[in-house]
Amino acid sequence: GDSVTQMEGPVTLSEEAFLTINCTYTATGYPSLFWYVQYPGEGLQLLLKATKADDKGSNKGFEATYRKETTSFHLEKGSVQVSDSAVYFCALRTVITQGGSEKLVFGKGTKLTVNP
Amino acid sequence: EPEVTQTPSHQVTQMGQEVILRCVPISNHLYFYWYRQILGQKVEFLVSFYNNEISEKSEIFDDQFSVERPDGSNFTLKIRSTKLEDSAMYFCASSEWSNSYNEQFFGPGTRLTVL
Repeated sequence: GDSVTQMEGPVTLSEEAFLTINCTYTATGYPSLFWYVQYPGEGLQLLLKATKADDKGSNKGFEATYRKETTSFHLEKGSVQVSDSAVYFCALRTVITQGGSEKLVFGKGTKLTVNP
Repeated sequence: EPEVTQTPSHQVTQMGQEVILRCVPISNHLYFYWYRQILGQKVEFLVSFYNNEISEKSEIFDDQFSVERPDGSNFTLKIRSTKLEDSAMYFCASSEWSNSYNEQFFGPGTRLTVL
């Protein structure tokens, strides 16, 4: 079945450091890909998404490019801030039934801590 | 900004007891979901719900689980006889449509602890 593998954490960085969180996927067809973020005490929030190959999703300085050839969707940010400390989840959307239901398949999550 | 809400934030129960986890999806959304995350493990899909019926359920969603939309606003997950292994964070989500351009909006989760 469809699956997502993401970099194990935790990841600890200093402010202004470069961030990469690796994510690879296995899926039939052409899934949509997502990064969700969970801040302490809050729900999962969509950070960015890409719906087809070579699409680049971006938001709040974060970027990820849908790479079909390497089945990857790595998350990057050039300069992290303390406020970026959170758990990051890579996910893919798979359609369960034709024209209908869908579900998200998640990776295990990567906890990022950014120190001042 | 509209958001998905969940109650309670933390539920502690004894093994064998029934629990009901409550969710209020975003008001104009038509698709509803439950996911769970056992501590340290992946977020896993449980069930999707549309037009007052289950669209799809995972192998985790056995006869002990049920979902209901009892009125126009709430969406509930019931576990009839809880087991220790049901201890997890349960997330409710909703989406307006089911296509590539619509995201699922998640609630903050209910942490269920089964003793």
